[in-house]
Amino acid sequence: EAEVAQSPRYKITEKSQAVAFWCDPISGHATLYWYRQILGQGPELLVQFQDESVVDDSQLPKDRFSAERLKGVDSTLKIQPAELGDSAMYLCASSLVRGENTGELFFGEGSRLTVL
Amino acid sequence: GQNIDQPTEMTATEGAIVQINCTYQTSGFNGLFWYQQHAGEAPTFLSYNVLDGLEEKGRFSSFLSRSKGYSYLLLKELQMKDSASYLCAVRDQLKDYKLSFGAGTTVTVRA
Repeated sequence: EAEVAQSPRYKITEKSQAVAFWCDPISGHATLYWYRQILGQGPELLVQFQDESVVDDSQLPKDRFSAERLKGVDSTLKIQPAELGDSAMYLCASSLVRGENTGELFFGEGSRLTVL
Repeated sequence: GQNIDQPTEMTATEGAIVQINCTYQTSGFNGLFWYQQHAGEAPTFLSYNVLDGLEEKGRFSSFLSRSKGYSYLLLKELQMKDSASYLCAVRDQLKDYKLSFGAGTTVTVRA
């Protein structure tokens, strides 16, 4: 069964360092999402891509976060510099068709970030 | 974003039934989703409602009333493995079909 791949699974870093997360969506899925989930809360959308274009990054802290999906396939989310409050699970998800049929999101295993 | 409210925690006994309510406010409603998330794992899709009424899928059912901005997820014949967080999520067609999540309801099933 096709899956959304994410790496690394766990990342521990010190504040002010740079960190990057990678996501490879299910083949053929045009829409890719990065969510941040703080313990005890629901996922919060950081950025949404349609192919290689950003369609929503309104909640992305652009002073320190960046995201790209250069060829419309895999994607990278970067944080520089990391802050203590960035400790969270970073979830990548993809969907087949934006807004049509169920459009359910398929999530990767997530990347758990701890900032010390 | 959307205002999505659901209870924080619920506890039930193995074999029983639990109903998790979700209320939402959105201007461009385009579907409501329920996801299950076990501790430390990614959310997995449970159900989808876009029209009013009840959708049944095995032991799980989901109901939607668009006029009331209300949904519930019904878990029947509870099993220990059903202990998890249940996330209500709403899609908004006026915001590029953005999917926004509630904070989740932690269900604990006791023997």
